[in-house]
Amino acid sequence: GAVVSQHPSWVICKSGTSVKIECRSLDFQATTMFWYRQFPKQSLMLMATSNEGSKATYEQGVEKDKFLINHASLTLSTLTVTSAHPEDSSFYICSAPQGLYNSPLHFGNGTRLTVT
Amino acid sequence: AQKITQTQPGMFVQEKEAVTLDCTYDTSDPSYGLFWYKQPSSGEMIFLIYQGSYDQQNATEGRYSLNFQKARKSANLVISASQLGDSAMYFCAMREGNNAGNMLTFGGGTRLMVKP
Repeated sequence: GAVVSQHPSWVICKSGTSVKIECRSLDFQATTMFWYRQFPKQSLMLMATSNEGSKATYEQGVEKDKFLINHASLTLSTLTVTSAHPEDSSFYICSAPQGLYNSPLHFGNGTRLTVT
Repeated sequence: AQKITQTQPGMFVQEKEAVTLDCTYDTSDPSYGLFWYKQPSSGEMIFLIYQGSYDQQNATEGRYSLNFQKARKSANLVISASQLGDSAMYFCAMREGNNAGNMLTFGGGTRLMVKP
């Protein structure tokens, strides 16, 4: 079945530094990828939609200058958390749709970010 | 208004028994899809089952079945013969429209705990 690879699976960084998270669709092309954020004991909240060849679409309240998204190719999207702060500590998970309208979103395994 | 509502924050079920996880949704789009995902403590999102708004029959996938009541806008997940490995968070989600590139909106989730 379709696979989405996300890397790294966990990262610890110091406040003020930047962290890049990669999301790859391994056996299918994805013109769109979704980035979700999940705080402990909460649901997944959509942060932004990554579009190959155009700018990402951000959800209300998500700072586009802080969460930089680049959809470099049909199989790769990256999320960069710039100048990270402890409140950015969360579980970030990417996903990509494949094909038909009744196909599920395929999710990466997520990245647990801890900012110290 | 919430688009996806899961009213059970936590549920207990005895091993080998069946359990129903509730999900109600709200949309004015006649075309939509409903999904259930399982999220174990490791964090990955595992797709379980899909129901389309135009599907005449309730979806089934192994031990999972979806009790789809369109008029009531509910899409409850039924897990039969619960196993200890079913202990996890369960999320109901909806995709509006018939475009595979549309995002999924998630409910708040239900934590299922299977007792031995």
